Amino acid sequence: DVKVTQSSRYLVKRTGEKVFLECVQDMDHENMFWYRQDPGLGLRLIYFSYDVKMKEKGDIPEGYSVSREKKERFSLILESASTNQTSMYLCASSPSDRVGDEQYFGPGTRLTVT
Amino acid sequence: AQSVSQHNHHVILSEAASLELGCNYSYGGTVNLFWYVQYPGQHLQLLLKYFSGDPLVKGIKGFEAEFIKSKFSFNLRKPSVQWSDTAEYFCAVSGYSTLTFGKGTMLLVSP
Repeated sequence: DVKVTQSSRYLVKRTGEKVFLECVQDMDHENMFWYRQDPGLGLRLIYFSYDVKMKEKGDIPEGYSVSREKKERFSLILESASTNQTSMYLCASSPSDRVGDEQYFGPGTRLTVT
Repeated sequence: AQSVSQHNHHVILSEAASLELGCNYSYGGTVNLFWYVQYPGQHLQLLLKYFSGDPLVKGIKGFEAEFIKSKFSFNLRKPSVQWSDTAEYFCAVSGYSTLTFGKGTMLLVSP
């Protein structure tokens, strides 16, 4: 059974703080993704990675960066958190060599920036 | 660019009613299509997917979806819903790149 874990379920940070969200998958998947989920807006792709040290911008990368030093781990970084980054953040992974195939999701991190 | 439109943001049904959630996509080439579900407090999980072949796809928990290429649609159906189907449902499409998700439909089933 595929397992995608995220470091925190809930996180509260102050404006201007640097925030790290960690995601780990245990199935040797090639691709990993970060989304944010907001009510009425669905899931929006922030960044994805198709290989170690490789990254691609998604639809809303502004204010975020990512790091993938090991295949199983994909980190999302908020360099200077702002209140409009309060959201649910979902990590996903996919086994295929195509980034458009089925994805497996983690439980999410609900981030509040005050 | 690829895009997905889900027809309803909120749907309220009584138990045993039939369900159809609309999904239309915009992309001119070959697509993969998905329906995901998020039960309250749980992970987003795959309900069903279409890659090729039979356009009528069966998924988990009695759900099915029909791909109609001429209408660019991939509607989700269930003949008789249960209270436990209360959840948010997301349609997604991938054409040339990663998945693009719709905005979701919140389904509330009253007992």
